[in-house]
Amino acid sequence: QVTLKESGPVLVKPTETLTLTCTVSGFSLSNARMGVSWIRQPPGKALEWLAHIFSNDEKSYSTSLKSRLTISKDTSKSQVVLTMTNMDPVDTATYYCARMYYYDSSGYSYPLAYFQHWGQGTLVTVSS
Amino acid sequence: EIVMTQSPATLSVSPGERATLSCRASQSVSSNLAWYQQKPGQAPRLLIYGASTRATGIPARFSGSGSGTEFTLTISSLQSEDFAVYYCQQYNNWPPSYTFGQGTKLEIK
Repeated sequence: QVTLKESGPVLVKPTETLTLTCTVSGFSLSNARMGVSWIRQPPGKALEWLAHIFSNDEKSYSTSLKSRLTISKDTSKSQVVLTMTNMDPVDTATYYCARMYYYDSSGYSYPLAYFQHWGQGTLVTVSS
Repeated sequence: EIVMTQSPATLSVSPGERATLSCRASQSVSSNLAWYQQKPGQAPRLLIYGASTRATGIPARFSGSGSGTEFTLTISSLQSEDFAVYYCQQYNNWPPSYTFGQGTKLEIK
């Protein structure tokens, strides 16, 4: 059974750095074609993709937040870590991690992927 | 960045009736589109991928259609558990640059 669980601080102060951990089970981060993304959702608002890490350690980031984000993984601990610097009250949101599912499609030289399994999310509030 | 626009923002439908939700992409995403359902206090749940393929365990009353820039999620004969917020999401690019629509809230009429 695939599970993902997010953990991290409930409250951070403005300008601080947020570090979130996604601990996975039921699959290995070292498997080929395995990847995890982080997505966030401000209260009452839409989902926003933040970052993705692939099995070969290739990383991708939201264009608008790229300068503030770092994603990494520790395969031995089955963990994916997201750091976000210079936190602001507008970053208050529920942060989710999700396992990707990749597949091939004719005409594409790269794998296509969607969010197959989601963690329960963790609410982070930014306030002084 | 590909912008996804969903309509309507809120849809009021009676149980047992059909609901039709729309999603438009600012440029073609081929069939590389997924739909998710989110209930209050819960994480999103995958419903549809590849624009029209139901995910494992998703009832047949959920169907997706479309390609290019216009997509539709149809829920035939609405059940009480279907009232939720629905999001579309494109995954057409590599390196990944995923974008979601702003959501459609399906409420009981």
